[in-house]
Amino acid sequence: GNSVTQMEGPVTLSEEAFLTINCTYTATGYPSLFWYVQYPGEGLQLLLKATKADDKGSNKGFEATYRKETTSFHLEKGSVQVSDSAVYFCALSDRGQGNLIFGKGTKLSVKP
Amino acid sequence: GAGVSQTPSNKVTEKGKYVELRCDPISGHTALYWYRQSLGQGPEFLIYFQGTGAADDSGLPNDRFFAVRPEGSVSTLKIQRTERGDSAVYLCASSQNQGGKETQYFGPGTRLLVL
Repeated sequence: GNSVTQMEGPVTLSEEAFLTINCTYTATGYPSLFWYVQYPGEGLQLLLKATKADDKGSNKGFEATYRKETTSFHLEKGSVQVSDSAVYFCALSDRGQGNLIFGKGTKLSVKP
Repeated sequence: GAGVSQTPSNKVTEKGKYVELRCDPISGHTALYWYRQSLGQGPEFLIYFQGTGAADDSGLPNDRFFAVRPEGSVSTLKIQRTERGDSAVYLCASSQNQGGKETQYFGPGTRLLVL
């Protein structure tokens, strides 16, 4: 079945450091891929998405590229800020009804 | 406009009791999803509605769980004979249409604690 594996946290970085959170997936078809973020005390919100191979999603300085050959969708940001501290979830959905399959989440803490 | 809302925000109940969790999707969104998130885990799919009908309930863990969406808008997740293992955050999400490319908008969740 479909599944998502993302790097385990927690990840602790200093402000302005480079961020990578790895995400790989297993899917029988051609899923859409998503990164959702959960800030402390808030609900899940979409960070970025890509719906086909080689698409790059980007938002708030974060980027991720849909790599079909490596079944990956790694999240990157060149310079993190304290306000980026949150839990990040990688997810996929199939082309049908669209229910999301999530990874376990990666907690990011950015220190000033 | 208003986002997805869920009530109550917290619910404490005793083992064996019945609970109802409510979800108000974004107006005009036809697809509605329920997920369950245990501590330290990602959300897990429970059930999906397209309009009034449950299009896929394959994620419901057992027959104690049931959900309805009678008028194609508000949905209620019902849990009978609650067990301690049902303790989790129950999330509702809606999207404008069905389909894998659609963005799902999540509510704040209902935190259920079964004592």
